[in-house]
Amino acid sequence: DSGVTQTPKHLITATGQRVTLRCSPRSGDLSVYWYQQSLDQGLQFLIQYYNGEERAKGNILERFSAQQFPDLHSELNLSSLELGDSALYFCASSAGHQNTEAFFGQGTRLTVV
Amino acid sequence: AQTVTQSQPEMSVQEAETVTLSCTYDTSESDYYLFWYKQPPSRQMILVIRQEAYKQQNATENRFSVNFQKAAKSFSLKISDSQLGDAAMYFCAYRRSGAGSYQLTFGKGTKLSVIP
Repeated sequence: DSGVTQTPKHLITATGQRVTLRCSPRSGDLSVYWYQQSLDQGLQFLIQYYNGEERAKGNILERFSAQQFPDLHSELNLSSLELGDSALYFCASSAGHQNTEAFFGQGTRLTVV
Repeated sequence: AQTVTQSQPEMSVQEAETVTLSCTYDTSESDYYLFWYKQPPSRQMILVIRQEAYKQQNATENRFSVNFQKAAKSFSLKISDSQLGDAAMYFCAYRRSGAGSYQLTFGKGTKLSVIP
């Protein structure tokens, strides 16, 4: 158990809908990273938050957004869903210093039908 | 931008034998970190081993060791005495050092099968 909790584990929704994925980082970790894993694109970095503020953006679509709350949990919001958004979405957390590891949650499997 | 390449989409190894997974990367930075992650069928991403670029000594974790060739930008993973539980996807990853964000850049992965 990495200590990073993601909910839900599985999500099936229809095209055009909006979903929210939730991540609780390890106790004490200030940084949260979101990654998308798909068959064609592999593992891609989406966005990072550090202590409530956006720190870095990767290949995140405009239809996607995220935030980190005062209790440090994070949510990834995916809207106007398309079939191609079907993927495994990972959250990872770290203390935020350069010499610290990132620990991954078990992911949320999103299926858009 | 940094890129990570794993040229072996699939590999297999006999149980108790040794296997080496290859990884090359491209970066203009002199200080960085390299990682190998394991993703079993449970899909959990598990850190196997990490290497700091400023360290010349190759990292070792039990049956797992790396061959880090900084000039060649090569970072291979050797698994000794392979076990059935080693069967998984293995991802090589790069992370920059210094101030700022520490997101990982991953390779496409190598699927390792272990033959009993």
